[in-house]
Amino acid sequence: GENVEQHPSTLSVQEGDSAVIKCTYSDSASNYFPWYKQELGKGPQLIIDIRSNVGEKKDQRIAVTLNKTAKHFSLHITETQPEDSAVYFCAASRGNGGFKTIFGAGTRLFVKA
Amino acid sequence: NAGVTQTPKFRILKIGQSMTLQCTQDMNHNYMYWYRQDPGMGLKLIYYSVGAGITDKGEVPNGYNVSRSTTEDFPLRLELAAPSQTSVYFCASRVGPNTEAFFGQGTRLTVV
Repeated sequence: GENVEQHPSTLSVQEGDSAVIKCTYSDSASNYFPWYKQELGKGPQLIIDIRSNVGEKKDQRIAVTLNKTAKHFSLHITETQPEDSAVYFCAASRGNGGFKTIFGAGTRLFVKA
Repeated sequence: NAGVTQTPKFRILKIGQSMTLQCTQDMNHNYMYWYRQDPGMGLKLIYYSVGAGITDKGEVPNGYNVSRSTTEDFPLRLELAAPSQTSVYFCASRVGPNTEAFFGQGTRLTVV
């Protein structure tokens, strides 16, 4: 069945460094790729998303890239800050199925001050 | 604007007991979802609804039931709780497919 693989499961960086999280999806019909941040004790919250007709999207220190041919997409966080510490989830979905959002297993990011 | 509200936040159940997890949203979203999150795992879809009166199974529906009598509310029912249902449960809503999903704070359920 469809799945989304996410790597690494844990990532530790020094404050100010960059962090990269990578995801690979299997459903070639996927056309929407959101990234969610989950802080301790809270629900996931959308931080950025990208659609299949775009190769890259940036929002301040956060960027996402999409390679449809290789079926993988990545989250890039530059100039990391301690408040970026959280669990990050990638997901992939297709527009013609409202429930067909498959989540990756998550990456726990630690930013050391 | 409260967004998505889940109650309770925590609950301990004994094996065989039943309970209802409540979820309500005030954004007039048609699409609502229930997920469970196990340690080190992503979110697994239990049930979803695309509008009042319409529900359907997700990836892991066994042991659960839902109803959607209004746009705002989407309760999740656990019948005959089992230890395998120990998890954190999240309710989410969105205005349509391929749009931002808004999540509640979660319900941490332990079955002993």
